[in-house]
Amino acid sequence: EAQVTQNPRYLITVTGKKLTVTCSQNMNHEYMSWYRQDPGLGLRQIYYSMNVEVTDKGDVPEGYKVSRKEKRNFPLILESPSPNQTSLYFCASSLSGQGYQPQHFGDGTRLSIL
Amino acid sequence: AQSVTQLDSQVPVFEEAPVELRCNYSSSVSVYLFWYVQYPNQGLQLLLKYLSGSTLVKGINGFEAEFNKSQTSFHLRKPSVHISDTAEYFCAVSESNFGNEKLTFGTGTRLTIIP
Repeated sequence: EAQVTQNPRYLITVTGKKLTVTCSQNMNHEYMSWYRQDPGLGLRQIYYSMNVEVTDKGDVPEGYKVSRKEKRNFPLILESPSPNQTSLYFCASSLSGQGYQPQHFGDGTRLSIL
Repeated sequence: AQSVTQLDSQVPVFEEAPVELRCNYSSSVSVYLFWYVQYPNQGLQLLLKYLSGSTLVKGINGFEAEFNKSQTSFHLRKPSVHISDTAEYFCAVSESNFGNEKLTFGTGTRLTIIP
């Protein structure tokens, strides 16, 4: 089954404790992206990757890191999480970097930073 | 820069009644338009998309949307809603230039179906 898999689905942690949210897709997609969803703000892009070893900032990259060492994986790293990063996070992928390609979303990761 | 406005944050509708969820966008270039649906505790799922051609597009679950270039709108409609349509709906726009496949989302409309 074609899917985008995120782990963990839920995480409660404390300020400053490094964490990684994993994202994996099995569709051989070149493009992957991370979004955060906050009430009243919709989804905002954090980082994206056009292909292996190619990543770039989205609209809200501060406090986050990403890497793309393999085509299928695109982890999101919070080196020193803070309470303002409490949010619902989505990973998405699509075939290429062209705007007409719809994106496939994971089921989300709900992070709570205390 | 592109932007999307969904004016209605919440829309309550009686079961079997029609519904329209409004979406307006702003962009200086040609765009691709999408509606995504988010059911509780799930990710976003593509409902329908407009790329080019016919301005009336049909999607899954009986939904349809009409692209109106002069009014820069892409409203979503369904003639008769069901309880299972309770979800949050997001309109999104992508500019038709190669590069970051950036989707700009609206703030979402929560559709609640009243039995």
